[in-house]
Amino acid sequence: AQSVTQLDSHVSVSEGTPVLLRCNYSSSYSPSLFWYVQHPNKGLQLLLKYTSAATLVKGINGFEAEFKKSETSFHLTKPSAHMSDAAEYFCVVSGFYGGSQGNLIFGKGTKLSVKP
Amino acid sequence: DAGVIQSPRHEVTEMGQEVTLRCKPISGHDYLFWYRQTMMRGLELLIYFNNNVPIDDSGMPEDRFSAKMPNASFSTLKIQPSEPRDSAVYFCASSRSGKGAYEQYFGPGTRLTVT
Repeated sequence: AQSVTQLDSHVSVSEGTPVLLRCNYSSSYSPSLFWYVQHPNKGLQLLLKYTSAATLVKGINGFEAEFKKSETSFHLTKPSAHMSDAAEYFCVVSGFYGGSQGNLIFGKGTKLSVKP
Repeated sequence: DAGVIQSPRHEVTEMGQEVTLRCKPISGHDYLFWYRQTMMRGLELLIYFNNNVPIDDSGMPEDRFSAKMPNASFSTLKIQPSEPRDSAVYFCASSRSGKGAYEQYFGPGTRLTVT
């Protein structure tokens, strides 16, 4: 079965400093992994996705994530935080049933706060 | 493309009333998902469809909830009768099968308040 664990429920950084949001996954298959972002009172927006083509994945707004199979991790990073990055971030693994597409398994979310 | 469209965006109703939430998926997408988000329980998958057929409804909380997808461009989630504990934001999402990572595209959500 697939599962995902976001290691921090809340991360606070200062504007201009690096961001690290941690995610570990468990999957019986070669997983597809995603990060979604949700700004206050908004829907979820896809930040980036990993599909086994390259272990370092670049997304929108300067975010990137690295797939590390040996560590079963897919941490999200950004070199320099911006005030507009304040939001909730979800790490997601695909759930496959018998080789066919299934639902997505969402982590519980990490709330990112950015201080001026 | 207009993206996933949900209506209404906000719904306030009294306990016991019937509530119908609507969703139009992205054209060409053959999967449709309904989620519920609350502070207490986070994001929960309620049900999902493939080619208009319900595949997994194990997340539907109880018989008061029902979902239909009469055609590829429309789905409804109905709550009858509604209760205050149903207050949440309900999201619809769609995706396309085939090669790729099966990412889902989310609508803006319907904020439901049951008084």
